Amino acid sequence: GENVEQHPSTLSVQEGDSAVIKCTYSDSASNYFPWYKQELGKGPQLIIDIRSNVGEKKDQRIAVTLNKTAKHFSLHITETQPEDSAVYFCAAIYNFGNEKLTFGTGTRLTIIP
Amino acid sequence: NAGVTQTPKFRILKIGQSMTLQCAQDMNHNYMYWYRQDPGMGLKLIYYSVGAGITDKGEVPNGYNVSRSTTEDFPLRLELAAPSQTSVYFCASKLRGQGAAQPQHFGDGTRLSIL
Repeated sequence: GENVEQHPSTLSVQEGDSAVIKCTYSDSASNYFPWYKQELGKGPQLIIDIRSNVGEKKDQRIAVTLNKTAKHFSLHITETQPEDSAVYFCAAIYNFGNEKLTFGTGTRLTIIP
Repeated sequence: NAGVTQTPKFRILKIGQSMTLQCAQDMNHNYMYWYRQDPGMGLKLIYYSVGAGITDKGEVPNGYNVSRSTTEDFPLRLELAAPSQTSVYFCASKLRGQGAAQPQHFGDGTRLSIL
C-alpha cells in the first residue's frame, strides 16, 4: 500500500517569511495529492490539491509543486501571517482504486509575530 | 449546507462500556469515512463506505463496527471500550471521483477518552 512521509514535523517562521513543507510517497500509481490545514479543535480542511498531470498549482499565497519522477510534493506558503499557524497534512491517493487517502503525519507550523 | 456533522463533540467512557459516534452529511456524498487521530500522528482509516449498504475495513478496524443504512448517516460503534481507543475520531465524506479525484470533507471530530 501507499506510504506518505512528511517533513518537518514542526516549523517556526517569522511573520512575512515563507514556509515549505515536503512530502514523499511510495506508490507511483498515486495521482491525487491534497493538502489539509487543521486548526485547534477543528477537523482538517482542504486548502489546495494537485493532480498528477500538473506540476504546480497556485492559490494566492499558497502553492503546491509535484515531482512525479522523484515521487515528492511540497506545500509553499508565502508572506506568512499569524492565521497560518496550524497543523498541515499532506495526503496521496490512487483515485481509480478504492479512493482511500493515505495521510502524512503532519507539520505543526508556528508563525512568530 | 451544514456539511459533515459529528456528535457528540466530547465523551468520557469507562472501560468495557459501549457507545455510538454519530456522523451525518447533507451533501449527498457517496463515500464516507471514519478516521482516528492520535497525538502527533496522522489520520488512520478505521472503516469506509462507498454507498448505502456497503462498508469495508480500513487500516485499524479492530474494536469498531459500522453500518450505512442511508446515504446521509454513517455511525461508528465501539462495543467494548478499551483505553487504546482514546483518540479523536473524524468522519469525512466525498463524491465519487468521475474522471478526477474529489476532495474529502471532514467534520470537527469527537474527542473520546476511555478511563
